[in-house]
Amino acid sequence: SQQGEEDPQALSIQEGENATMNCSYKTSINNLQWYRQNSGRGLVHLILIRSNEREKHSGRLRVTLDTSKKSSSLLITASRAADTASYFCATAGGYYGNNRLAFGKGNQVVVIP
Amino acid sequence: NAGVTQTPKFRVLKTGQSMTLLCAQDMNHEYMYWYRQDPGMGLRLIHYSVGEGTTAKGEVPDGYNVSRLKKQNFLLGLESAAPSQTSVYFCASSYHGLAGVITGELFFGEGSRLTVL
Repeated sequence: SQQGEEDPQALSIQEGENATMNCSYKTSINNLQWYRQNSGRGLVHLILIRSNEREKHSGRLRVTLDTSKKSSSLLITASRAADTASYFCATAGGYYGNNRLAFGKGNQVVVIP
Repeated sequence: NAGVTQTPKFRVLKTGQSMTLLCAQDMNHEYMYWYRQDPGMGLRLIHYSVGEGTTAKGEVPDGYNVSRLKKQNFLLGLESAAPSQTSVYFCASSYHGLAGVITGELFFGEGSRLTVL
């Protein structure tokens, strides 16, 4: 199995609500990253959390990392229609080594205006 | 600053034809990657390179070849295209970080959509 596996979901929420998605992995990692992909576009990096960090914020994004459970969550607060996208987690280190990322299958989020 | 540029953006091939996808980055990154994205499969690594003149296989390398003759360019070749290679291909690059660990983000191109008939 791949490192960095989201629980593949299609999440549909109303604008203004919070969106939460989860990611799990199987071996130790150096860092975990979240990416966004708008339809028909390339992936864009959102946030990186290192293995010695437990929580990180960037604007409306909040990422947590629980290395004991080998899991991470991404919270988008006060969602906007422009947040409609697929979100991927990816891990560095561990199963595939340090010089490549392993991506999950992604979560599709639809924010209804 | 262009970032990562992929050419072509769209291509239709017949089974058995060959083609090359070009990826160019202007950020002086050491690491470059080729991924393919298929519905429900996420991103799967085809080949990658940790520096000029070096390449390595990823998860799904069969049917593809790569070359990294110049640091800024990473070429992905299909010698004899098959319908199973119909996909969207993404190139990415990254700074190598300390001791070879990726400590920063990957920068992606906009993708190349390939259809093999």
